[in-house]
Amino acid sequence: ETGVTQTPRHLVMGMTNKKSLKCEQHLGHNAMYWYKQSAKKPLELMFVYSLEERVENNSVPSRFSPECPNSSHLFLHLHTLQPEDSALYLCASSQDVWGPDTGELFFGEGSRLTVL
Amino acid sequence: SQQGEEDPQALSIQEGENATMNCSYKTSINNLQWYRQNSGRGLVHLILIRSNEREKHSGRLRVTLDTSKKSSSLLITASRAADTASYFCATDNQGGKLIFGQGTELSVKP
Repeated sequence: ETGVTQTPRHLVMGMTNKKSLKCEQHLGHNAMYWYKQSAKKPLELMFVYSLEERVENNSVPSRFSPECPNSSHLFLHLHTLQPEDSALYLCASSQDVWGPDTGELFFGEGSRLTVL
Repeated sequence: SQQGEEDPQALSIQEGENATMNCSYKTSINNLQWYRQNSGRGLVHLILIRSNEREKHSGRLRVTLDTSKKSSSLLITASRAADTASYFCATDNQGGKLIFGQGTELSVKP
């Protein structure tokens, strides 16, 4: 089983739908992240959780709602999205949240979202 | 603002050749990391170099760091078709937040 698992891998939704992306990490890490990757753009950090507590919210629109019920699971709830929200959404985890010595991130395979 | 910027944006070489990618950044860092991403997949960590290190090796990968020039390079020696991917540098800004660049798309032709 891979370290960080994301489901679904592909999702197509209309602008009025409500859907959720799921991420699960099997590494015993304390920190989890959501990144957005759009074509020809750098990775955009969306949310950061440390021990289930949100520590970073990078001015993300409220149509994206994260949830971290425990240190192994992270969700991204989606509602009334726009076509420009179509992107690859990547979940990542690390041993601890950023500090003076940031370690490596372990990424999932991503969820490819298309908003019609 | 973007911390790391890779150069070139795209690189095409023949199998067996070496590939060099560069990363420049703006502010002081604690460490710099390189990641690889195959098309449509997640990122995979390749190597981490600390600010007090100048060079690091891992298999066919060689990373250098010049903190005076705020730049790093990733060298892949004896490239293979399977090395075709996008390569990203990531630097930590104040507080340790990792910021990724736009990446270099490497194409290795058989």
